[in-house]
Amino acid sequence: SQQGEEDPQALSIQEGENATMNCSYKTSINNLQWYRQNSGRGLVHLILIRSNEREKHSGRLRVTLDTSKKSSSLLITASRAADTASYFCAFSNGQNFVFGPGTRLSVLP
Amino acid sequence: NAGVMQNPRHLVRRRGQEARLRCSPVKGHSHVYWYRQLPEEGLKFMVYLQKENIIDESGMPKERFSAEFPKEGPSILRIQQVVRGDSAAYFCASSPKAGGIQETQYFGPGTRLLVL
Repeated sequence: SQQGEEDPQALSIQEGENATMNCSYKTSINNLQWYRQNSGRGLVHLILIRSNEREKHSGRLRVTLDTSKKSSSLLITASRAADTASYFCAFSNGQNFVFGPGTRLSVLP
Repeated sequence: NAGVMQNPRHLVRRRGQEARLRCSPVKGHSHVYWYRQLPEEGLKFMVYLQKENIIDESGMPKERFSAEFPKEGPSILRIQQVVRGDSAAYFCASSPKAGGIQETQYFGPGTRLLVL
């Protein structure tokens, strides 16, 4: 399967804690992106990291990419209840765009 | 500054009917992608179109499904003779002319199709 894999499938943390989600893939990629999806809503783009980049930051988000291990991680620092959502990694291999199954994050107040 | 628009947001069809899902990309975007999301699952790529051309339909079921992106007007995903297994959320995304599939895709809110 070309789909990526994400772990954990579900993550529950307290407000203020950090949340780390991981994504692995099987093919060579051009870039990897992270999206957020609130329940019943469309996807929101968070970060794009290219294959020649190792780390990228955006606000409370930090994304790393290890092409040797074919994996990426998304770190959300100082989580808030509003961060509760599903988070998907997606990667482009030049042919099409493939999504992982997602991690469901619950941030408890 | 409208983003990707999809309509209808919710669509109910009986088995055997046709479903037409519309997607208006971000103004100026000429690349459109359709994805399907089954309940509790991730998104799956269906088809990638540029104006008047299908670039990649490798994720599209061979029968009953078709997509178009005419020179004028929205992109249409058409499902003929719907079955219960077609019940899903269908998301459209668009990206700018430059870069195509390599660039960020902007997603619409999705159309939730329910087949009774």
